[in-house]
Formats: sequence, structure tokens, C-alpha cells
Amino acid sequence: DAGITQSPRHKVTETGTPVTLRCHQTENHRYMYWYRQDPGHGLRLIHYSYGVKDTDKGEVSDGYSVSRSKTEDFLLTLESATSSQTSVYFCAIRVTPDTQYFGPGTRLTVL
Amino acid sequence: QKEVEQDPGPLSVPEGAIVSLNCTYSNSAFQYFMWYRQYSRKGPELLMYTYSSGNKEDGRFTAQVDKSSKYISLFIRDSQPSDSATYLCAMSSGGYQKVTFGIGTKLQVIP
Repeated sequence: DAGITQSPRHKVTETGTPVTLRCHQTENHRYMYWYRQDPGHGLRLIHYSYGVKDTDKGEVSDGYSVSRSKTEDFLLTLESATSSQTSVYFCAIRVTPDTQYFGPGTRLTVL
Repeated sequence: QKEVEQDPGPLSVPEGAIVSLNCTYSNSAFQYFMWYRQYSRKGPELLMYTYSSGNKEDGRFTAQVDKSSKYISLFIRDSQPSDSATYLCAMSSGGYQKVTFGIGTKLQVIP
């Protein structure tokens, strides 16, 4: 158990509404990541953070924003949810260059 | 062409068989290699990780890296029904550069 929790675990929302997903770690790891996982596409990086207030875009960042005001929390916001953002979202922490641990995931459905 | 290629399967084997899961990659800068196991509706679980070339063994699992061929493998000996899952390869270059994932191979071990 890498001490990563995600909330909520499941969410159903409507098109056009903002949605915020939270990732919380109990250890003080610097690098945190948000991925989405979709059939046929695998895991794709949305945004990542390399420290408090230090974030950068991944390969599928359009329509998403992130914030990290504390080391332990990394928030992912869908500014105006669309049906194409229906997915499973995973948070991850990077402990060493060759070890990255994932949270349990958030299943998001946008109607 | 994707940076990391992985056959999605599904791969069905009888219990007790030796399973070989493979990924090829094109980026010669990759030097950190990971294998994840993902059960249905769960987060990816880090199974094996290795740096550079060579073999690494942990119980029934062996990870092998051949950098000259840009090819990595995960072997599972004496496969069990509980090994039925999707296996994802992952790799990155130096430091904390982003991790690139294969699409995952779905494995079913039949009792």
C-alpha cells in the first residue's frame, strides 16, 4: 500500500458541470501524476506535478486543470465536463525513477 | 508508431504453464522498466521494476530486459488462476521523466 487515496471513487455528473477529483498521499513524495485509462488507449498522462505549485501538462491535458497547494494533495479539475471525459482516472506517485505507485482510481461518468 | 508496443491479447493458458509477456520499444533512452498487474476495476499494482539490462527474479516472476533488441519480458512460472489480470509494461528515461505505458496484455489462467 503506497498510501494513496482518491476521492470520490465513483461519480456521475452532467455535461457542462465542473468536477474536481482529489488525490491524497500520506508520504512526502514530490512527484504526483494524473492519468486516465480508456479501452484501446491504455494509460495516458493528463498532468503531473514536481512540487508544491509546480505542475506541467501531459499528453491529454485539454479540458483539465490541476492544482497542488500542499505536498500531500493533488487536485484534478474538469472545467466543463464532456462525455469524452467519461473514463477511469488514476493518481500516481513516483517514489524512485523506477517505481511509481497508483491509487485505486475514480470512475467518472459524464452524461 | 507507438513508443511502446504490447500485444493486448487475450492470452489464455492452463494452470501451471509458464507465461511469457513481452513489450518492444523504440526509444533508446529508456532505462527504467516496470511491470504492473491490474485486476479488473482496480488500480495498477507495481509487480517488478528493473534498471538497465539483465534479469530480475522475485518468486514466480522474472523480468528480463534486452536493451540491444529494445525488448522486455515478464515470465510467470507455475501460473495460477489468481494471476488472471491485465499486465502492463512501463518504461522511462533518466531521472523523473514521464513513464510511457504499453496498452496491457490480458491474461487468463484456466484451472
